[in-house]
Amino acid sequence: NAGVTQTPKFQVLKTGQSMTLQCAQDMNHEYMSWYRQDPGMGLRLIHYSVGAGITDQGEVPNGYNVSRSTTEDFPLRLLSAAPSQTSVYFCASSYSGGQADSPLHFGNGTRLTVT
Amino acid sequence: GESVGLHLPTLSVQEGDNSIINCAYSNSASDYFIWYKQESGKGPQFIIDIRSNMDKRQGQRVTVLLNKTVKHLSLQIAATQPGDSAVYFCAENSGSNYQLIWGAGTKLIIKP
Repeated sequence: NAGVTQTPKFQVLKTGQSMTLQCAQDMNHEYMSWYRQDPGMGLRLIHYSVGAGITDQGEVPNGYNVSRSTTEDFPLRLLSAAPSQTSVYFCASSYSGGQADSPLHFGNGTRLTVT
Repeated sequence: GESVGLHLPTLSVQEGDNSIINCAYSNSASDYFIWYKQESGKGPQFIIDIRSNMDKRQGQRVTVLLNKTVKHLSLQIAATQPGDSAVYFCAENSGSNYQLIWGAGTKLIIKP
């Protein structure tokens, strides 16, 4: 069982470039989410989805887009990368959004550097 | 605003001793609390959770205590092992939405 798979593991972008971070899960989870993790800070929610075709903004959505065309996949798009987006990005999924008895399952992250 | 915080950013513990990691929360409406463990280079991994209608919950070598009077959460790890070295995060969910609020994390260091 692969769980939550994120690609790529590492990425370097120049300011202004665009890219898509991929996330796939094979647990049939309805809820998927993207977090960023910066040194000395907790995880901050970027966007989340409670099912195919449904997305919503989290705490820090600016500069990022998401879509959810299938239950399995939840890509995160950076439209025009900025140095402030240098971070480690985690995708997480669960049956019902981190509610009781439905803990989040995380991928191993994508380390993004924007120069 | 809502926040979840930790008292100590780094905790050093002798191997075999018990570890206690603390967390303060500010939202009295939170009804669910979770502890995650993050090893270097990996994503957070669920350890244990507790609902607000409980004071204590035990797992394998771990116990979570919830004190709603002072809005305090703690994670106790018994007989700490080298494999327990990691950053530990607490998080809370008010239950009204799908957004967890995370603390900044505590790094647990095991001394041989």
